[in-house]
Amino acid sequence: GALVYQYPRRTICKSGTSMRMECQAVGFQATSVAWYRQSPQKTFELIALSTVNSAIKYEQNFTQEKFPISHPNLSFSSMTVLNAYLEDRGLYLCGARDGGNTEVFFGKGTRLTVV
Amino acid sequence: QQNVQQSPESLIVPEGARTSLNCTFSDSASQYFWWYRQHSGKAPKALMSIFSNGEKEEGRFTIHLNKASLHFSLHIRDSQPSDSALYLCAVRTGGYKVVFGSGTRLLVSP
Repeated sequence: GALVYQYPRRTICKSGTSMRMECQAVGFQATSVAWYRQSPQKTFELIALSTVNSAIKYEQNFTQEKFPISHPNLSFSSMTVLNAYLEDRGLYLCGARDGGNTEVFFGKGTRLTVV
Repeated sequence: QQNVQQSPESLIVPEGARTSLNCTFSDSASQYFWWYRQHSGKAPKALMSIFSNGEKEEGRFTIHLNKASLHFSLHIRDSQPSDSALYLCAVRTGGYKVVFGSGTRLLVSP
């Protein structure tokens, strides 16, 4: 079956520092990978969408300078939260799809706490 | 820009009740529609999908889609405590981008 693993599951970083999170797709080709943030209020925001052979597209309020993403192959993606502050807290979810399947498969997320 | 809204934000129903969750979207060119369910501490998981106007039933769950009114809904018959979760609707407009609503938190009381 199609599985998506995210790590770390939880991380705590000091305000102003950066942290990197990773996403691994198993059992399918992650042609597109979307990164979402689920805030403490449970709002589900799309940060950016990365599609193989296309430029990464960031949503309004999210930038490459703040959330650089790497999607080097069909099984792996990473995102870094640079210069993290309190408003960056939340559960960061990686959702991956292959070209022939419309369903998005999610990892369990990386929960970021900023202190 | 696609705007997906869900209502209500939260819902408490007794066991055995019929539950209705609503989702509206703004892009009339939207093509694919899902409901995802996220239990506490777990990853969101696709529950049901629909791609054309009408109704689709799977067990106790039914989706209605009306593209003209930019609305789709999820109905749960004979709600069970195990149905308690965050329900997310998702919409895709051609291409790869999938936009989610902010969710409806459902609690089914025994």
